[in-house]
Amino acid sequence: KAGVTQTPRYLIKTRGQQVTLSCSPISGHRSVSWYQQTPGQGLQFLFEYFSETQRNKGNFPGRFSGRQFSNSRSEMNVSTLELGDSALYLCASSLQGARNEQFFGPGTRLTVL
Amino acid sequence: DAKTTQPPSMDCAEGRAANLPCNHSTISGNEYVYWYRQIHSQGPQYIIHGLKNNETNEMASLIITEDRKSSTLILPHATLRDTAVYYCIVINTGRRALTFGSGTRLQVQP
Repeated sequence: KAGVTQTPRYLIKTRGQQVTLSCSPISGHRSVSWYQQTPGQGLQFLFEYFSETQRNKGNFPGRFSGRQFSNSRSEMNVSTLELGDSALYLCASSLQGARNEQFFGPGTRLTVL
Repeated sequence: DAKTTQPPSMDCAEGRAANLPCNHSTISGNEYVYWYRQIHSQGPQYIIHGLKNNETNEMASLIITEDRKSSTLILPHATLRDTAVYYCIVINTGRRALTFGSGTRLQVQP
């Protein structure tokens, strides 16, 4: 069974731009969660989608948004990029969310210049 | 979710067992103990989880004390590929989001 895939793997943007990241979960997994990982803050939860609905949300500004499609694939969007948005963005899929183990993708490394 | 405490780093000789401790003294009755690891430049990888009984799978064993205030992850025969940061987390069954602390950086030495 194929794992979680994320595209692109690396991205360089400048301040003020926007970015869209994509995640394809493991086949059959309907829950997709997004995380931001930085050396200073560690792993921080962004949001979770289940059956095309946002089910849980972390403490991030409205510049961070996401959506999920009927095939469970998910995208997250960051608008008006700031230098502090530079991070590894991780997507994780699971059958039922945090109550079951989550399977992470390799991440998208975003650099904002 | 209960807070966890782990040593910042540990070394282990290749082929020997690696025992990684985790303290979660404020754990409540419906919280599970999960272990993940993250190898450099990769996404976190699920290892094992448990509620109150010891658990074993193909990767590791999880030993949870009877009072559930601490646990130990055991990698029975550590290899160089087990070098990673290991995260112990405690999750309420109703909570969806994972939060990782600083974890333990395990260095397996040849």
